[in-house]
Amino acid sequence: DAGITQSPRHKVTETGTPVTLRCHQTENHRYMYWYRQDPGHGLRLIHYSYGVKDTDKGEVSDGYSVSRSKTEDFLLTLESATSSQTSVYFCAISEPLSGRDNEQFFGPGTRLTVL
Amino acid sequence: RKEVEQDPGPFNVPEGATVAFNCTYSNSASQSFFWYRQDCRKEPKLLMSVYSSGNEDGRFTAQLNRASQYISLLIRDSKLSDSATYLCVVNAIRGDTGRRALTFGSGTRLQVQP
Repeated sequence: DAGITQSPRHKVTETGTPVTLRCHQTENHRYMYWYRQDPGHGLRLIHYSYGVKDTDKGEVSDGYSVSRSKTEDFLLTLESATSSQTSVYFCAISEPLSGRDNEQFFGPGTRLTVL
Repeated sequence: RKEVEQDPGPFNVPEGATVAFNCTYSNSASQSFFWYRQDCRKEPKLLMSVYSSGNEDGRFTAQLNRASQYISLLIRDSKLSDSATYLCVVNAIRGDTGRRALTFGSGTRLQVQP
């Protein structure tokens, strides 16, 4: 299995509080992604990164920000959590130089509940 | 309309059965296609890529019809361990940067019964 960890694995927070989720990889893959998964919607891309300090918005980026100051870490921040951000969050990585840049390896996920 | 559409199921089939899943995509510029598998409360994992000529991996066969923008996955001789959700995935252009990214379908749930 790819070396991807996510922390925390579970979190319950209150509306209006800031939340930061961390994705850490030991594979030295250049590309990293944050998705959320909700029933009926499947996986939706929030933000992605093609390298250190190189990030871009996905289809559901409103209310989220990201930072990538090191290759191995990709942080997702909810500045002021809302109940609509209750979801399962997955981090993924891929490496373009592998020739299989379409293959994404996923972390175990973070279950976030916003009350 | 969703970019990638799948029948959510569930498909309940007996062991040994053959089952087929279909998927349609709306972006005609999509270039790459995949099936991922996701077990309950676990992360998705790549099952197989889908090539224009069709491809097979053991009991699994994937086919692509670009003209109809349609992808299929056939599972022969179903096993209990095949029970999972199967995600149809396409690689398409996103955003103003023109960068490609994966778009996931909502998944089709398969339950293989003894």
